[in-house]
Amino acid sequence: EAQVTQNPRYLITVTGKKLTVTCSQNMNHEYMSWYRQDPGLGLRQIYYSMNVEVTDKGDVPEGYKVSRKEKRNFPLILESPSPNQTSLYFCASSSRVDRASYNSPLHFGNGTRLTVT
Amino acid sequence: GQQLNQSPQSMFIQEGEDVSMNCTSSSIFNTWLWYKQDPGEGPVLLIALYKAGELTSNGRLTAQFGITRKDSFLNISASIPSDVGIYFCAGPEAGANNLFFGTGTRLTVIP
Repeated sequence: EAQVTQNPRYLITVTGKKLTVTCSQNMNHEYMSWYRQDPGLGLRQIYYSMNVEVTDKGDVPEGYKVSRKEKRNFPLILESPSPNQTSLYFCASSSRVDRASYNSPLHFGNGTRLTVT
Repeated sequence: GQQLNQSPQSMFIQEGEDVSMNCTSSSIFNTWLWYKQDPGEGPVLLIALYKAGELTSNGRLTAQFGITRKDSFLNISASIPSDVGIYFCAGPEAGANNLFFGTGTRLTVIP
């Protein structure tokens, strides 16, 4: 089954303790992206990757890191989490992100709810 | 970054009623997308629009690409309980590779 898998689904941690949220897709997609969802703010893009070893900042990259060493994996790293990073995080992938058309839909994972105390 | 504002923020409607929501941007978009997020899941693409004035349907859903290219509209006819969820508009910023999402409209359908 084609899917984007995020782990863990839920995570509670303390300020400053490094954590990684994993994301893996089995569709051989080139494009992958991380979003955070907060009430009233919708989905805001954190980082995205056009292909292996190519990553770019989205709208809200501060406090986050990513890596794209393999096509299928795109982990999100919080080196020193803070309470304002408490949020619902989504990873997504697509076969292409073309400036001319977006007829390759984004496939989203089921989310990771992170709480930083 | 790009700001996409959706209206209304939330809606409570009776089953069978029609629903209208819209999305506006501060700049011109060449593509408008509408996604739906079911409770506890990630968003799923409903409709994609590529041309100003375009009207596209997907079952009971109809979306329109505004003539000004700064807005888009989504209508749901004869709502049913499974229409419950958050509806997001989205689009790529002109000349960029990243996709911006709107603030979302939360729909509740009362049986």
